[in-house]
Amino acid sequence: DAGITQSPRHKVTETGTPVTLRCHQTENHRYMYWYRQDPGHGLRLIHYSYGVKDTDKGEVSDGYSVSRSKTEDFLLTLESATSSQTSVYFCAISESRSRTDTQYFGPGTRLTVL
Amino acid sequence: AQSVTQLGSHVSVSEGALVLLRCNYSSSVPPYLFWYVQYPNQGLQLLLKYTTGATLVKGINGFEAEFKKSETSFHLTKPSAHMSDAAEYFCAVSGVGADKLIFGTGTRLQVFP
Repeated sequence: DAGITQSPRHKVTETGTPVTLRCHQTENHRYMYWYRQDPGHGLRLIHYSYGVKDTDKGEVSDGYSVSRSKTEDFLLTLESATSSQTSVYFCAISESRSRTDTQYFGPGTRLTVL
Repeated sequence: AQSVTQLGSHVSVSEGALVLLRCNYSSSVPPYLFWYVQYPNQGLQLLLKYTTGATLVKGINGFEAEFKKSETSFHLTKPSAHMSDAAEYFCAVSGVGADKLIFGTGTRLQVFP
């Protein structure tokens, strides 16, 4: 298994509070991704990173920000959590941006916003 | 633009029966296609992928998929289901720019004894 950990694995928070999720990899892969998984939607890309301090938006980026200060860490922040952000969040990594390259996924973080 | 449609959000089979999970894609560029499996409370794991070359792709755990360009399909099959195959399966197509891996909505496979 690719060395990807996510923390926390579960979190319950209240509307309006800030939340930060962490993804840590030991594979030294350049590309990192944050997805959310919701019933009936599959996985949707929130943000991705193509290097330290290099990030870009995905399909569902509103209400989320990211940061990457080290190759191994990619943080996802919900500045002011809303109930619509209740979801399971997955981090993924890939070695290159080739269309044939495999993305490897972390175990996920289940976030509940009350 | 690229998109993926998975027909059937739930599929139930008996242990030992054929598994067939359907995936159709739309792509404006040559498609690269993936099947991932998600076991309960776990992340996604790659089952197999099609890039170029042989259209019948073999993956892990006895699964295989066939790329059919004329039918824009990439259906996943396994000759004989096992209880341990119960999981959710996602088909995905690689979009333009590796930042885009576009997923279908998933098919949950139940296996009955």
